Amino acid sequence: EVQLVESGGGLVLAGGSLRLSCAASGFTFSTYSMNWVRQAPGKGLEWLSYIASSGTTYYTDSVKGRFTISRDNAKNSLYLQMNSLRDDDTAVYYCARDAFGGWSFDLWGRGTLLTVSS
Amino acid sequence: QSALTQPASVSGSPGQSIIISCTGTSSDVGGYNYVSWYQQHPGKAPKLMIYDVNDRPSGVSNRFSGSKSGNTASLTISGLQAEDEADYYCCSYTTGSTRVFGGGTRLTVL
Repeated sequence: EVQLVESGGGLVLAGGSLRLSCAASGFTFSTYSMNWVRQAPGKGLEWLSYIASSGTTYYTDSVKGRFTISRDNAKNSLYLQMNSLRDDDTAVYYCARDAFGGWSFDLWGRGTLLTVSS
Repeated sequence: QSALTQPASVSGSPGQSIIISCTGTSSDVGGYNYVSWYQQHPGKAPKLMIYDVNDRPSGVSNRFSGSKSGNTASLTISGLQAEDEADYYCCSYTTGSTRVFGGGTRLTVL
C-alpha cells in the first residue's frame, strides 16, 4: 500500500528539541520530493519545508534556522529536526509527497501532534 | 510569504454550484500555473482535488474544476453533495521555490 506514516510527536517544553519521522512505503521514495506541512489547532495549513530527491532544501521564514529537513533514502524515511521550539509550533505535523515532477501534494500522512508547553 | 486570501466560508444547497476564490500576487498565483486545491474533512488529512490550476487527479469527481485569472485562482464545485462539506485550501508555488497556502474556506452544504 502506498502510504506515509508520521511519528515522533509529543509534549515538549518551550525551548526544547524534537525530531519527527515519516516512513514511506509502497513507492520509490528516493525519486520523490517531500515536504512537511503543519496545522495548528483550529487553524489552516502551513507549508514548512521541502527536500528534493537531490537533497536541495527550502524553508518557510518562520522555521528557517530552527528546523532542518532531511531524508534517508535507504530507510525510506523523511525527518524534521525541530529546535528552539515555541508555543506557536504546537500543531499536527504532516509529511506530504510532491507529485512526480510536479508541485502539488499528492500523498499525505495522517499527521503527528506536537504540543509545546511553556 | 503572506498567506493567500480565501473567503472564510461559503455555502450552497445540494445540486447547486459554488466557487471558492484564492487571491495571491504575481509572485505566487499570478506567476505560475502551479495552484492546487485540497479538501479536508474534520480530523482527516488533506486530499488533493486539483493540481496545476485545472487538472484533476485520478479518482476525483469531475464536479470539481479549477481556473485562474491573473492573481486569483478559483475552485468550482458543481452539483453540490452532502459529502462535499469540508474545509478547502488553495496552495501555490512561489518565487524562491517555496509554497504558500490560503487561509482555508469552510464549505457548508445547506
